[in-house]
Parts: sequence; structure tokens; C-alpha cells
Amino acid sequence: DAGVIQSPRHEVTEMGQEVTLRCKPISGHNSLFWYRQTMMRGLELLIYFNNNVPIDDSGMPEDRFSAKMPNASFSTLKIQPSEPRDSAVYFCASSFFGNQPQHFGDGTRLSIL
Amino acid sequence: DQQVKQNSPSLSVQEGRISILNCDYTNSMFDYFLWYKKYPAEGPTFLISISSIKDKNEDGRFTVFLNKSAKHLSLHIVPSQPGDSAVYFCAVRSGNTPLVFGKGTRLSVIA
Repeated sequence: DAGVIQSPRHEVTEMGQEVTLRCKPISGHNSLFWYRQTMMRGLELLIYFNNNVPIDDSGMPEDRFSAKMPNASFSTLKIQPSEPRDSAVYFCASSFFGNQPQHFGDGTRLSIL
Repeated sequence: DQQVKQNSPSLSVQEGRISILNCDYTNSMFDYFLWYKKYPAEGPTFLISISSIKDKNEDGRFTVFLNKSAKHLSLHIVPSQPGDSAVYFCAVRSGNTPLVFGKGTRLSVIA
């Protein structure tokens, strides 16, 4: 079974550029989560969707961050414009709604120069 | 303020001995508790969970203990193996809310 698929695995770009991270959740899962991992803050939830609808985006750090889920098999996290402090590993996870473990992708390591 | 704390950033254990990883939480409303394991350059993978109606759950070499009165969760690995070397995250939730993660403990199992 394919797990959660994220692309790209690594992204290096210059400050001010637009960055788009992509996620394909596990087929059949109806909840999708975006996390950011940094040394200082650990794994922090940015936003999550249930049935493609954004439920809580209070973790999104600034208006420069936006996320969409146009259908059940695809989600994007966009940063525009990007800044060096956005450098981190971004994880996508999916699960069945309810008391079920989340399954994570392998992350996108983002470096903003 | 951190809702979930893993106070030991790292732990070293000899192969064959027991590894004990600890986690404290602040909110008594949390009712589902999980442990994840993470290798470098990979995403966290689910290891074991426990609901608030139980105080112990065992799966092979891995046992999770829950002490609700102390708001404390622990993961025991016995016997520890070199392949267990990874970062371990505890995670908690209340109802259908998303998981809240601790900052992780890096376990090194020395052969």
C-alpha cells in the first residue's frame, strides 16, 4: 500500500520566491494535516482538513502561508513570499476521521536562502 | 505553553536492557495517547497507542503505561535493540482534535 506521498523531498530557493509543497494522502483517509518541524518548536500543526474542508488553520504562522485541498487525493501548502525563517521540514499526514493514528509522509526539507 | 513535555532530549541504553521514555501532559481532557518513532530523513511512524480507559497496552517489546492522576505516559522497550535507535515522540489528543506532539527524545541503543 502506498503511504502518504510528499513532493518535493528537498527544496532550496531564494528569499521572496513562491514555494509550493504537495501531498497525496492515503486513499480512503478523510483527514489531512500539515505540520512543520523545527529544532526550537518541534512538530507544530499548521492546518488540518476533514473531508477536504479546512477545519482549523490557527497554526498557520502568517498570511504568507496558505493551504488548499481541491479533492480527496491532493493538497498543497504554499508560501508566498518565502523568508529564511520558513526553513524547516514540512510534513503531511493523513488519517481516518476519529480516534485513529495519523500516517506521515517523509517530509519536504525546505531551505530558504 | 507546552501541553506535552518530553523532558529528556536524549537517552542512551545498552543493547538488551530496558529503555524507558517519559512524557508529561497538562490537560486532563486528553483521552488518547500515542507514541511515534522517527528515523532520520523519514516521517514519524506510529508505534503504539493507549486510550484513557486503560493504564497499560503491550505490543511485543513495546509497552505503554498511562498514569492519569499524574498526567504521565511512558514507553518501555525491552529488550532494546540497535534498530530501536531513533527519535521518539509522544502525542496526545482530546476527542477528535488533532494530535499534539512533544518535542521528542533521541534514543541511542549501544551494542
